Amino acid sequence: DQQVKQNSPSLSVQEGRISILNCDYTNSMFDYFLWYKKYPAEGPTFLISISSIKDKNEDGRFTVFLNKSAKHLSLHIVPSQPGDSAVYFCAASGRAAGNKLTFGGGTRVLVKP
Amino acid sequence: GAGVSQSPSNKVTEKGKDVELRCDPISGHTALYWYRQSLGQGLEFLIYFQGNSAPDKSGLPSDRFSAERTGGSVSTLTIQRTQQEDSAVYLCASSSVSGGAGELFFGEGSRLTVL
Repeated sequence: DQQVKQNSPSLSVQEGRISILNCDYTNSMFDYFLWYKKYPAEGPTFLISISSIKDKNEDGRFTVFLNKSAKHLSLHIVPSQPGDSAVYFCAASGRAAGNKLTFGGGTRVLVKP
Repeated sequence: GAGVSQSPSNKVTEKGKDVELRCDPISGHTALYWYRQSLGQGLEFLIYFQGNSAPDKSGLPSDRFSAERTGGSVSTLTIQRTQQEDSAVYLCASSSVSGGAGELFFGEGSRLTVL
């Protein structure tokens, strides 16, 4: 069963506007959440993370929001830039959930100039 | 180099052959992970090493898959009697966090194509 889900396989947004990527999880043992960005033919690179003791973490143009009661997190990119075009993976981990990251299926973002 | 290094970057093999994929983690990283990404799919966990031991092998798809890690450094993922469904990008990642996955640093992957 998929413990981390990204229900939108793709997203298209105009340059300068906000990109909102969503992620849902089912395992209540997850207590640390991450977003990774992946360009073609490259490995995923870490973007931003959030601990379950917080509900928001911001780093420049990137903000992650966590709603624990809904088991939902989102990544906001504002303003979106053409270089942000990539596949974004949501991931979750927790000591009680095993020492590994569980990834969602990814959302492909296209930022149009 | 300073990052995670994987080889080969591309491997084309015939069905039934064995393949070995290698991963050199970031120096000093105690945790090492193997994932794979099939076409259009997310990242699927295969196995996790802490030092040379593998506390979690739960993601290995079948007994044709095995992995080892020596000297707390290099890891090799071996696939025996490859099948077409094994075609995927195999990603290795390492982490300095022991116990509980923190940020993982990924290599560029080894693309395996089984004909």
